[in-house]
Amino acid sequence: DAGVIQSPRHEVTEMGQEVTLRCKPISGHDYLFWYRQTMMRGLELLIYFNNNVPIDDSGMPEDRFSAKMPNASFSTLKIQPSEPRDSAVYFCASSRGQGSFAFGSGTRLTVV
Amino acid sequence: QQQVKQSPQSLIVQKGGISIINCAYENTAFDYFPWYQQFPGKGPALLIAIRPDVSEKKEGRFTISFNKSAKQFSLHIMDSQPGDSATYFCAASRGNTPLVFGKGTRLSVIA
Repeated sequence: DAGVIQSPRHEVTEMGQEVTLRCKPISGHDYLFWYRQTMMRGLELLIYFNNNVPIDDSGMPEDRFSAKMPNASFSTLKIQPSEPRDSAVYFCASSRGQGSFAFGSGTRLTVV
Repeated sequence: QQQVKQSPQSLIVQKGGISIINCAYENTAFDYFPWYQQFPGKGPALLIAIRPDVSEKKEGRFTISFNKSAKQFSLHIMDSQPGDSATYFCAASRGNTPLVFGKGTRLSVIA
């Protein structure tokens, strides 16, 4: 089992550009979560899916953020346009019910 | 509203000592309380977890103590080692809802 796979590991982009973060969950996991980690706010839930359907996106900070899960093995988080305050580490996690919550290694995003 | 409050923010412990990190929660419907360990450049990894029907769970050097009436739970690391130096997060959830995390404790174990 390869675990949750995120790409890219690092992304540096200019303000105003579109950024797409990618995630492959663990096979068989039916929940997928996107979290953002910053020093000030810790780990914040942005959105989560169950069986590819978005369940709660109330954590998405603005309309500039969007997430999709076209199938059980792939999800994207898109920021358009990006701003410097979006700089953070973005984590994808997956689970099969409670107790099997696994994180990817994260994407460190820097917007200059 | 912060649903899980974690303390301290940082902790320095001598090698061989006991590290203690505390968390308090507000939602009495929470029924799952895990601790995660995060090393620099890595994602958080599940360390140990407890459910409210027991007051303590031990796995090796790591112990969770749970006090349902006080709505508190804590992580104890016995015989702390330099390799335990990491950031620790407590979390809580109810059913299949997402985990709500504390803000983390940066632990440094010095020789």
